[in-house]
Amino acid sequence: DAGVTQSPTHLIKTRGQQVTLRCSPKSGHDTVSWYQQALGQGPQFIFQYYEEEERQRGNFPDRFSGHQFPNYSSELNVNALLLGDSALYLCASSKVWGLNEQYFGPGTRLTVT
Amino acid sequence: QKEVEQDPGPLSVPEGAIVSLNCTYSNSAFQYFMWYRQYSRKGPELLMYTYSSGNKEDGRFTAQVDKSSKYISLFIRDSQPSDSATYLCAMSARGGADGLTFGKGTHLIIQP
Repeated sequence: DAGVTQSPTHLIKTRGQQVTLRCSPKSGHDTVSWYQQALGQGPQFIFQYYEEEERQRGNFPDRFSGHQFPNYSSELNVNALLLGDSALYLCASSKVWGLNEQYFGPGTRLTVT
Repeated sequence: QKEVEQDPGPLSVPEGAIVSLNCTYSNSAFQYFMWYRQYSRKGPELLMYTYSSGNKEDGRFTAQVDKSSKYISLFIRDSQPSDSATYLCAMSARGGADGLTFGKGTHLIIQP
């Protein structure tokens, strides 16, 4: 049973550019949440998608946007990249009736130069 | 004051010792409490999940929640070098529908 997968593993971008990160949830899961983890910090909640809609959002600006597809996979888009966006971006999947049991992927490490 | 406080460590103990990891929180709305383990450059792995106050045991791991003190703990018995990792506590008020709020994580080192 494949767990949560994310791509790419690593990414280097320049300030002002845009980036798209991808996530495939664990089999049987229908909800995807995205988190940002800066070095030495715990993950911070960005937003959550269910039924192809953003259901909840953390304290992140509109530069962060997302999408969920009919097969439950998801994308995170970040526009106008800032140096401070450098972090590990984690995708977590769960069942909508078991949102406390979120299973994380390995993450995408984004470096903004 | 951050919503969830967790001592970043590092915490270094000899193999076989009982390890105690703790978090305090300020938001009394939190009702769901989780512990995750994160190895270097990997995603967090769910270890334990508890609801409200009380204890929960799973193998060598025991999670405790004291809502009156806003204090949660994770105990690891018979610690092994493979337990060396960063341990993150996480909490939610609405069963995860509001996202999880994490502590900074405690870096644990088990010395062989």
